[in-house]
Amino acid sequence: EPEVTQTPSHQVTQMGQEVILRCVPISNHLYFYWYRQILGQKVEFLVSFYNNEISEKSEIFDDQFSVERPDGSNFTLKIRSTKLEDSAMYFCASRGGNYGQQYFGPGTRLTVT
Amino acid sequence: AQSVTQLDSQVPVFEEAPVELRCNYSSSVSVYLFWYVQYPNQGLQLLLKYLSGSTLVKGINGFEAEFNKSQTSFHLRKPSVHISDTAEYFCAVSSNAGGTSYGKLTFGQGTILTVHP
Repeated sequence: EPEVTQTPSHQVTQMGQEVILRCVPISNHLYFYWYRQILGQKVEFLVSFYNNEISEKSEIFDDQFSVERPDGSNFTLKIRSTKLEDSAMYFCASRGGNYGQQYFGPGTRLTVT
Repeated sequence: AQSVTQLDSQVPVFEEAPVELRCNYSSSVSVYLFWYVQYPNQGLQLLLKYLSGSTLVKGINGFEAEFNKSQTSFHLRKPSVHISDTAEYFCAVSSNAGGTSYGKLTFGQGTILTVHP
C-alpha cells in the first residue's frame, strides 16, 4: 500500500537556526498538508497546499514558515528561525480527490534547544 | 469555524469489555467526520470516516461510530477491546461546504484508551 514518508524522523536544532522538514506524499495525490502536535496537546493544522500554492493556513503559520513542492514529488516545510516553542511532532499528510481521506506520514520530531 | 471536543481524556478498560469514546463537534457548515488512532511513536492511522449516507459507519479493527446530527456527536465504539487497542484516539472534522474542499482537519484533544488484562 502506498504511504507518506517523512525525513528525518528526529531533528535537533538550536534556536534561531533554519530547518527543513521533508515529506514525500503519495504519488497521485493532489492535496498536501502539514500539521503539528506539541507534546501532550492536540494535533493542529498548519497549512494546506493545492495546485502549487497555499490554499489555507492557520494563525500558527506565520512568516517564519514556508512550504514548497520543488520537484513534483517532495513537499517541504521550512522554519526560518526556530524558536523553543516550535518543538513538536510535525506530520505531513496527502489526499487524493475532493472527498478522500488524508494519509499521514510517521512524523518528524523537531527539538529546538 | 469548527471545533471538536473529546469528552474523556483517558479511558481505562479491561480486556474484552465494551468501550465508547465520545466526540462532539461544532460547525456552522456540514462536515465530514473521522476517527484516527495513534499508537506510541507512530503516525496517525484512519480508523473510520463518515462522509454521507448511513449514519453508522464501520472501520478497521472492529470499531464503529455513529453520526448523530441532532446531537452533533460521532462517538466511537467497540464491543470487545483487546490489549492491542491501547493507543490514543483522535476525533476530527473537516468542512463539507460544497464544491472543492481543501479538507483541513480540526482535531479533538485525544482520548487515551488503556486496555488492562
